Amino acid sequence: EAGVVQSPRYKIIEKKQPVAFWCNPISGHNTLYWYRQNLGQGPELLIRYENEEAVDDSQLPKDRFSAERLKGVDSTLKIQPAELGDSAVYLCASSLLRSAETQYFGPGTRLLVL
Amino acid sequence: DAKTTQPTSMDCAEGRAANLPCNHSTISGNEYVYWYRQIHSQGPQYIIHGLKNNETNEMASLIITEDRKSSTLILPHATLRDTAVYYCIVRVIGTASKLTFGTGTRLQVTL
Repeated sequence: EAGVVQSPRYKIIEKKQPVAFWCNPISGHNTLYWYRQNLGQGPELLIRYENEEAVDDSQLPKDRFSAERLKGVDSTLKIQPAELGDSAVYLCASSLLRSAETQYFGPGTRLLVL
Repeated sequence: DAKTTQPTSMDCAEGRAANLPCNHSTISGNEYVYWYRQIHSQGPQYIIHGLKNNETNEMASLIITEDRKSSTLILPHATLRDTAVYYCIVRVIGTASKLTFGTGTRLQVTL
């Protein structure tokens, strides 16, 4: 069974440019999470979806970040415009809603903003 | 979710048991203890979780004290591939809630 797929794995952009990250969760997982991990820190939740609905986006900087999960499967996280402080690893995870003991993480997208 | 405290780093010789401690003195009755690890350049990986009884799976054992204020993750025979950052997390089970990661313990397994 395929795990959580993320692309791209690496992205280098200049500040003020837009960037987008894509995530395909494990088949059948109806809960999807986006986390951000700064260097030397643990991941922090940005947004959580249950099917198509964003049920926790309290930590998402809504002035520049947006996310969507059309059809309740794969998801896209966008930053526009990017700032230097957005340099981090963006991790996607998924789980089953009714047995959410285990969140399965993708490899992440490493973003560098110059 | 309750806060956890872990040592910043630990070393372990290959083949020996690695015992990683975690303090969670403010844990609530409905919160479980989870352990995840993150190998360099990979996403976090689930290891084990428990409520109050000791748990064991193919990866590790989890020992939770009777008062539930602390726990220990045991890797019985550490290998070089176990070198990673280990995160202890407490979380209410039964919900698809977020995982609140701290800074974890960096375990270095050496020859």
